[in-house]
Amino acid sequence: DTEVTQTPKHLVMGMTNKKSLKCEQHMGHRAMYWYKQKAKKPPELMFVYSYEKLSINESVPSRFSPECPNSSLLNLHLHALQPEDSALYLCASSQEGGGYRELFFGEGSRLTVL
Amino acid sequence: AQSVTQLGSHVSVSEGALVLLRCNYSSSVPPYLFWYVQYPNQGLQLLLKYTSAATLVKGINGFEAEFKKSETSFHLTKPSAHMSDAAEYFCAVSDRRGGSQGNLIFGKGTKLSVKP
Repeated sequence: DTEVTQTPKHLVMGMTNKKSLKCEQHMGHRAMYWYKQKAKKPPELMFVYSYEKLSINESVPSRFSPECPNSSLLNLHLHALQPEDSALYLCASSQEGGGYRELFFGEGSRLTVL
Repeated sequence: AQSVTQLGSHVSVSEGALVLLRCNYSSSVPPYLFWYVQYPNQGLQLLLKYTSAATLVKGINGFEAEFKKSETSFHLTKPSAHMSDAAEYFCAVSDRRGGSQGNLIFGKGTKLSVKP
């Protein structure tokens, strides 16, 4: 089973809401990623977790809070978002051990902030 | 620092025609290069990758790419386009920061349209 599962697929939230995006993989991967993709743009890295520890934060605003409860799960907690944060949020995972490992992507969570 | 440049934001071909999507890379170290495809409202799917084993790389769905160091290129080709190939294609290079992470740096993407 080579699948990364993201929930929810669609999320609409107000600027004062608190919500979470969830990602799960069962491939035994030890690196997990959050990317943000605006319409007609390439994905942009937000966070990287390696062995459940945050290893890269691309200067993402604190209204986005990642969490990696265990090696299979990755969450992105959302609070006080702005309309410009509306985008497709992609989760990915990969094996550890070098940049030649491909990333496996989920189908994404499409977020709309009103 | 690593980067990739995709030439042409939109490519249109007829069904059955050759598909050629261009990607040039910049890297201070031997690069790991990838092509991903994204269908509307979906995530990214790996087509193929170059990791220095062979310069001609074959991928899924009949796609292949050739790594040319002298031209710093990694163009994606398919001999005969199908309607189902219509999608957005991203070239990517592995970001070598931190040594072991496989984070990718993406090009801006090329939208492929296939005419009947």
